[in-house]
Amino acid sequence: QSVLAQPPSASGIPGQKVTISCSGSSSNIGTNYVYWYQQVPGTAPKVVIYRNDERPSGVPDRFFGSKSGTSASLVISGLRSEDEADYYCAAWDDTLNGHWVFGGGTKLTVL
Amino acid sequence: QLRLQESGPRLLKPSETLSLTCSVSGGSFASSSYQWGWIRQSPGKGLEWLGSILNTGDTYSNPSLRSRLTVSSATSKNQFFLNLTSVTAPDTAIYYCARIRGVGFDPWGQGLLVTV
Repeated sequence: QSVLAQPPSASGIPGQKVTISCSGSSSNIGTNYVYWYQQVPGTAPKVVIYRNDERPSGVPDRFFGSKSGTSASLVISGLRSEDEADYYCAAWDDTLNGHWVFGGGTKLTVL
Repeated sequence: QLRLQESGPRLLKPSETLSLTCSVSGGSFASSSYQWGWIRQSPGKGLEWLGSILNTGDTYSNPSLRSRLTVSSATSKNQFFLNLTSVTAPDTAIYYCARIRGVGFDPWGQGLLVTV
Protein backbone atom coordinates (compact mmCIF):
# COMPACT_ATOMS: atom_id res chain seq x y z
CA GLN A 1 0.00 0.00 0.00
CA SER A 2 1.63 3.22 -1.19
CA VAL A 3 1.58 6.33 0.99
CA LEU A 4 0.46 8.40 -1.99
CA ALA A 5 -2.69 7.13 -3.70
CA GLN A 6 -2.95 7.07 -7.48
CA PRO A 7 -5.48 5.40 -9.77
CA PRO A 8 -3.89 2.26 -11.24
CA SER A 9 -4.87 3.14 -14.79
CA ALA A 10 -5.96 5.95 -17.08
CA SER A 11 -6.60 6.14 -20.78
CA GLY A 12 -7.44 8.52 -23.58
CA ILE A 13 -7.44 8.89 -27.31
CA PRO A 14 -4.90 11.00 -29.20
CA GLY A 15 -5.60 14.70 -28.81
CA GLN A 16 -7.62 14.22 -25.64
CA LYS A 17 -6.80 15.54 -22.16
CA VAL A 18 -6.10 13.13 -19.31
CA THR A 19 -5.82 13.84 -15.60
CA ILE A 20 -3.95 11.66 -13.11
CA SER A 21 -4.57 12.31 -9.42
CA CYS A 22 -2.31 11.81 -6.42
CA SER A 23 -3.66 11.93 -2.89
CA GLY A 24 -1.53 12.25 0.21
CA SER A 25 -1.62 13.80 3.64
CA SER A 26 -0.58 16.86 5.59
CA SER A 27 2.88 15.43 6.25
CA ASN A 28 3.77 14.98 2.59
CA ILE A 29 1.80 16.70 -0.18
CA GLY A 30 0.21 19.08 2.32
CA THR A 31 3.54 20.68 3.21
CA ASN A 32 6.07 19.67 0.58
CA TYR A 33 6.57 19.79 -3.16
CA VAL A 34 5.11 17.17 -5.48
CA TYR A 35 7.08 15.60 -8.30
CA TRP A 36 5.83 13.57 -11.25
CA TYR A 37 7.84 10.91 -13.07
CA GLN A 38 7.22 9.24 -16.40
CA GLN A 39 8.51 5.71 -16.90
CA VAL A 40 8.44 4.00 -20.25
CA PRO A 41 8.70 0.21 -19.71
CA GLY A 42 12.29 -0.97 -19.65
CA THR A 43 13.74 2.45 -18.93
CA ALA A 44 14.52 4.53 -15.86
CA PRO A 45 11.95 7.10 -14.72
CA LYS A 46 12.21 10.68 -15.93
CA VAL A 47 10.92 13.76 -14.14
CA VAL A 48 8.18 15.59 -16.02
CA ILE A 49 6.96 17.95 -13.26
CA TYR A 50 8.90 19.24 -10.25
CA ARG A 51 7.98 21.52 -7.38
CA ASN A 52 4.27 21.00 -7.99
CA ASP A 53 3.98 22.73 -11.33
CA GLU A 54 7.39 23.34 -12.90
CA ARG A 55 8.42 21.64 -16.14
CA PRO A 56 12.05 20.65 -16.77
CA SER A 57 13.50 21.83 -20.03
CA GLY A 58 12.57 19.45 -22.81
CA VAL A 59 9.23 18.44 -21.32
CA PRO A 60 6.39 19.62 -23.58
CA ASP A 61 4.00 22.25 -22.24
CA ARG A 62 1.25 19.67 -22.74
CA PHE A 63 2.25 18.45 -19.27
CA PHE A 64 0.77 20.48 -16.43
CA GLY A 65 1.02 19.92 -12.70
CA SER A 66 -1.00 21.38 -9.88
CA LYS A 67 -1.47 20.95 -6.15
CA SER A 68 -4.29 21.78 -3.78
CA GLY A 69 -4.19 20.88 -0.11
CA THR A 70 -3.14 17.27 0.23
CA SER A 71 -3.77 16.31 -3.40
CA ALA A 72 -2.00 16.88 -6.67
CA SER A 73 -2.80 16.32 -10.32
CA LEU A 74 -0.92 15.75 -13.54
CA VAL A 75 -2.76 16.85 -16.65
CA ILE A 76 -1.59 15.80 -20.09
CA SER A 77 -3.33 17.62 -22.90
CA GLY A 78 -3.16 16.91 -26.61
CA LEU A 79 -2.44 13.27 -25.82
CA ARG A 80 0.11 11.58 -28.06
CA SER A 81 1.05 7.93 -28.48
CA GLU A 82 4.48 8.57 -26.98
CA ASP A 83 2.83 9.63 -23.71
CA GLU A 84 1.88 6.01 -23.06
CA ALA A 85 3.85 5.15 -19.93
CA ASP A 86 3.60 4.70 -16.18
CA TYR A 87 3.36 7.90 -14.14
CA TYR A 88 4.37 8.22 -10.50
CA CYS A 89 3.91 11.07 -8.06
CA ALA A 90 6.38 11.60 -5.22
CA ALA A 91 6.84 13.89 -2.25
CA TRP A 92 8.97 14.25 0.85
CA ASP A 93 7.23 13.12 4.04
CA ASP A 94 8.14 14.89 7.26
CA THR A 95 7.31 11.99 9.61
CA LEU A 96 9.69 9.34 10.94
CA ASN A 97 12.79 11.52 10.53
CA GLY A 98 11.82 12.34 6.95
CA HIS A 99 11.59 10.12 3.94
CA TRP A 100 10.54 10.14 0.29
CA VAL A 101 7.23 8.54 -0.64
CA PHE A 102 5.95 7.50 -4.05
CA GLY A 103 2.52 6.83 -5.40
CA GLY A 104 1.73 3.35 -6.65
CA GLY A 105 1.83 4.52 -10.24
CA THR A 106 -0.75 5.05 -12.98
CA LYS A 107 -0.50 3.19 -16.27
CA LEU A 108 -1.55 5.56 -19.03
CA THR A 109 -2.82 3.92 -22.20
CA VAL A 110 -3.26 5.91 -25.37
CA LEU A 111 -6.05 4.18 -27.25
CA GLN B 1 26.64 15.76 -18.21
CA LEU B 2 26.20 13.89 -14.94
CA ARG B 3 25.94 10.12 -15.22
CA LEU B 4 25.25 7.51 -12.56
CA GLN B 5 26.00 3.81 -12.89
CA GLU B 6 24.96 1.02 -10.54
CA SER B 7 27.17 -2.01 -10.03
CA GLY B 8 27.10 -5.07 -7.85
CA PRO B 9 25.99 -8.71 -7.72
CA ARG B 10 23.00 -9.74 -9.79
CA LEU B 11 22.19 -12.94 -7.92
CA LEU B 12 22.01 -13.48 -4.19
CA LYS B 13 20.85 -16.24 -1.88
CA PRO B 14 18.36 -15.61 0.93
CA SER B 15 19.96 -14.24 4.10
CA GLU B 16 22.92 -12.75 2.22
CA THR B 17 23.79 -9.06 2.20
CA LEU B 18 23.23 -6.97 -0.93
CA SER B 19 26.01 -4.46 -1.54
CA LEU B 20 25.64 -2.05 -4.43
CA THR B 21 27.79 0.80 -5.68
CA CYS B 22 26.68 3.91 -7.54
CA SER B 23 29.50 5.56 -9.47
CA VAL B 24 29.05 9.23 -10.33
CA SER B 25 30.77 10.70 -13.38
CA GLY B 26 30.63 14.03 -15.14
CA GLY B 27 30.32 15.90 -11.86
CA SER B 28 31.45 15.86 -8.27
CA PHE B 29 29.60 13.94 -5.62
CA ALA B 30 30.84 16.37 -2.99
CA SER B 31 30.29 19.66 -4.78
CA SER B 32 26.77 20.57 -3.70
CA SER B 33 24.18 19.84 -1.09
CA TYR B 34 22.27 17.25 -3.01
CA GLN B 35 20.81 14.00 -1.78
CA TRP B 36 22.09 10.90 -3.50
CA GLY B 37 19.53 8.17 -3.34
CA TRP B 38 18.64 4.56 -3.95
CA ILE B 39 15.28 3.48 -5.35
CA ARG B 40 14.06 0.02 -6.30
CA GLN B 41 11.29 -1.42 -8.40
CA SER B 42 10.11 -4.98 -7.92
CA PRO B 43 9.07 -6.78 -11.12
CA GLY B 44 5.82 -5.30 -12.38
CA LYS B 45 5.52 -3.03 -9.35
CA GLY B 46 5.97 0.61 -8.46
CA LEU B 47 8.90 2.66 -7.24
CA GLU B 48 10.14 2.41 -3.67
CA TRP B 49 12.67 4.86 -2.25
CA LEU B 50 15.22 3.07 -0.08
CA GLY B 51 17.54 5.71 1.31
CA SER B 52 19.65 8.76 0.60
CA ILE B 53 22.91 10.33 1.65
CA LEU B 54 24.09 13.92 1.56
CA ASN B 55 27.64 14.96 0.80
CA THR B 56 27.89 15.78 4.53
CA GLY B 57 27.41 12.10 5.29
CA ASP B 58 23.94 12.58 6.77
CA THR B 59 21.56 9.85 5.72
CA TYR B 60 17.85 9.24 5.42
CA SER B 61 16.27 5.82 5.07
CA ASN B 62 12.93 4.20 4.38
CA PRO B 63 11.33 3.52 7.78
CA SER B 64 10.26 0.05 6.71
CA LEU B 65 13.83 -0.95 5.83
CA ARG B 66 15.73 1.03 8.43
CA SER B 67 16.83 -2.02 10.42
CA ARG B 68 18.42 -3.66 7.35
CA LEU B 69 19.61 -0.71 5.29
CA THR B 70 22.80 1.33 5.29
CA VAL B 71 23.71 4.04 2.82
CA SER B 72 27.29 5.27 2.80
CA SER B 73 29.68 7.07 0.52
CA ALA B 74 33.30 7.44 -0.57
CA THR B 75 33.57 11.07 -1.58
CA SER B 76 37.08 10.80 -2.97
CA LYS B 77 35.94 8.05 -5.31
CA ASN B 78 32.71 9.82 -6.36
CA GLN B 79 30.74 6.80 -5.20
CA PHE B 80 27.96 5.99 -2.80
CA PHE B 81 26.79 2.62 -1.61
CA LEU B 82 23.80 0.58 -0.52
CA ASN B 83 23.96 -2.28 1.95
CA LEU B 84 20.83 -4.34 2.56
CA THR B 85 21.17 -7.23 4.97
CA SER B 86 19.26 -10.48 5.24
CA VAL B 87 17.73 -10.35 1.78
CA THR B 88 14.75 -12.49 0.83
CA ALA B 89 12.80 -13.06 -2.38
CA PRO B 90 10.75 -9.82 -1.99
CA ASP B 91 14.02 -7.88 -2.28
CA THR B 92 14.25 -8.99 -5.92
CA ALA B 93 14.06 -5.76 -7.89
CA ILE B 94 15.70 -3.36 -10.26
CA TYR B 95 17.84 -1.10 -8.10
CA TYR B 96 18.40 2.47 -9.27
CA CYS B 97 20.59 5.23 -7.96
CA ALA B 98 19.79 8.88 -8.57
CA ARG B 99 20.74 12.39 -7.63
CA ILE B 100 18.01 14.28 -5.77
CA ARG B 101 17.82 18.03 -6.08
CA GLY B 102 15.36 20.81 -6.78
CA VAL B 103 14.04 19.16 -9.91
CA GLY B 104 13.59 15.88 -8.08
CA PHE B 105 15.27 12.56 -8.75
CA ASP B 106 17.44 13.45 -11.74
CA PRO B 107 19.36 11.90 -13.34
CA TRP B 108 18.84 8.20 -12.72
CA GLY B 109 21.21 5.36 -13.35
CA GLN B 110 20.16 2.72 -15.86
CA GLY B 111 19.23 0.31 -13.06
CA LEU B 112 20.53 -3.09 -12.02
CA LEU B 113 18.33 -6.16 -11.72
CA VAL B 114 19.09 -8.06 -8.54
CA THR B 115 17.51 -11.45 -8.01
CA VAL B 116 17.26 -13.22 -4.66
